[in-house]
This record gives sequence, structure tokens and C-alpha cells, in this order.
Amino acid sequence: DAGVTQSPTHLIKTRGQQVTLRCSPKSGHDTVSWYQQALGQGPQFIFQYYEEEERQRGNFPDRFSGHQFPNYSSELNVNALLLGDSALYLCASSDPLAGGPLTGELFFGEGSRLTVL
Amino acid sequence: DAKTTQPTSMDCAEGRAANLPCNHSTISGNEYVYWYRQIHSQGPQYIIHGLKNNETNEMASLIITEDRKSSTLILPHATLRDTAVYYCIVRFNTNAGKSTFGDGTTLTVKP
Repeated sequence: DAGVTQSPTHLIKTRGQQVTLRCSPKSGHDTVSWYQQALGQGPQFIFQYYEEEERQRGNFPDRFSGHQFPNYSSELNVNALLLGDSALYLCASSDPLAGGPLTGELFFGEGSRLTVL
Repeated sequence: DAKTTQPTSMDCAEGRAANLPCNHSTISGNEYVYWYRQIHSQGPQYIIHGLKNNETNEMASLIITEDRKSSTLILPHATLRDTAVYYCIVRFNTNAGKSTFGDGTTLTVKP
């Protein structure tokens, strides 16, 4: 059973460029959440996608956008990159209707490490 | 989601129990306590969660105080591979996606 997979694992961009990160959720999961983790800090919630729509959003500017596809995979797009966008971007999937003790539990991928120069 | 407070860092000797505390004094009645850990350069990994009662699984035990304002994660026999950042999160059992992580506790297990 494949877990959450993310690509690319590492990438380097320059200020002002745009980046797209990809995520495939754990098999059977239909909800995808994205987090940004700066060096030395805990993950910060960006947004959550369910049924191809953004359902919740954290305190991030409109430069951060996303998409969810019919197969539940998701993309995170960041426009007009700033130096401060350098971080580990984590994707997490969940199945809110799974039932049982792990209802709605989060499963994380290994992340995409973005460096903005 | 309720805010949590954890010590920045802790050390533990290999083979001994590691006890990681978490304060969550503003927790509401229906919020659960979740613990995750993040080994260097990997994604966070679920450890355990609980509502009121103490919980135990193959990885750890979770002790929640009677007033639910604090909890302790116990790793009974810490190994070097348990060196990681441990996050305590308080949230409702549904809507797992929007979890509020603090900066966690860096646990260093020493030989």
C-alpha cells in the first residue's frame, strides 16, 4: 500500500519564479492538506482540498494556490517566489469518513524541499 | 484548536523511559490530544492520541491528567532511533487536515 508520495524531493528556484509541487495521497484517501515547514519550526497549515475544492485555508497569501484532481492527487502552486518561501512543503492525506480510532488521521509524505535564491 | 506548550528540548539515556510533557490548559471537552514525531528530514509520523483515558500502543503510552489540561507521552525504552522532534497537538477528531503544530520538543537519546 503506497503511502503519500510527493515530487520533486528537492528544487531550487530564484526570486520571482513560480513553482508547482505535486502530491499523491495514500490509497483510499480523498482529502489532501498542504503544510509549509520553515527550518527549525513546526509545520504550518496552508490549505486543504476535498472533492476538488479548497475547503480550508491558513494564513497564507494568494500567491499560494492549489488544485485537486479527480483521482485525489493535488498540486501546490506558489507564484512570485520570495526568499522567505524557502521551506519544506509537506503534503498530508486523510479520510475523514474512515471510521474507527484513526478517523481523519493525517499521513504525511516526505516533503518537497524548496530553496529560493 | 487549543494551543499547546512543550519544552524546547530534552535528553534521555538509551534504554530508559522518555517522558515528554505537554500543557494544553485551554483544551475543550471534545478535543483530542495527538502526538506526532518528525525524524530529521522526514514527514511527521503519527504516534498516539487520546481523549480522556490513558492510551497505549506499540510505540508509546499517553497519560492525560484528569482535568485534561496536560499530558505526557512516554517512550518506555528509548533507542537512538527515537531521536526526533515530538509534536503535541490538540484538535477535534474530525478535520484532521487543519492541525496546528507548535515547535515541538527535540528529544535526543544518548548512548
